[in-house]
Amino acid sequence: AQSVTQLGSHVSVSEGALVLLRCNYSSSVPPYLFWYVQYPNQGLQLLLKYTSAATLVKGINGFEAEFKKSETSFHLTKPSAHMSDAAEYFCAVSPDFQQTGANSKLTFGKGITLSVRP
Amino acid sequence: GAGVSQTPSNKVTEKGKYVELRCDPISGHTALYWYRQSLGQGPEFLIYFQGTGAADDSGLPNDRFFAVRPEGSVSTLKIQRTERGDSAVYLCASSYTGYNSPLHFGNGTRLTVT
Repeated sequence: AQSVTQLGSHVSVSEGALVLLRCNYSSSVPPYLFWYVQYPNQGLQLLLKYTSAATLVKGINGFEAEFKKSETSFHLTKPSAHMSDAAEYFCAVSPDFQQTGANSKLTFGKGITLSVRP
Repeated sequence: GAGVSQTPSNKVTEKGKYVELRCDPISGHTALYWYRQSLGQGPEFLIYFQGTGAADDSGLPNDRFFAVRPEGSVSTLKIQRTERGDSAVYLCASSYTGYNSPLHFGNGTRLTVT
């Protein structure tokens, strides 16, 4: 079984400040981990993914995330927030296909809404 | 190229009615997923197709929910005897293989049961 915990439902930062969105996972099998972003009235877009290669993953729009197995975490960061980063962010987990043969079914967290203040 | 297309974008129906939601995946994608997103929640898995067959339907909440993909492309999610608790955004996603390939999501169908 797999699950994702995203603590807090809303994060507010000032433009130019560090963005940190937390994600902790639980998985009985080796995981793949993902961050998706959802802008208003749009579909989910993949920001970045961890697939058992490098533990520090760089994504689009300056975001990155670090897989820490000892902490079962996959927190999302961006050094300097832009107004355009305001959106809802979802962390998700799926089984590592290479090690489990399982399909790419994703289990999502509840999401975090990021607001950026001018 | 075209992304995943879902129709209608909005559907309002009365309690007890039957509804069909359609998903057109990206051409060539063999895997297709349906998710449901309730207000304030993340998407919850419903069903996964590999080609024409439902490889995993463990997320369907009860037997009022059914989905088909007869030709391995377009999929229809069918809900019988709708209930107010079925109100949510229904998301469709497709991927090239379903194994370690990224999911591409549509914009969803917002279903409101009155």
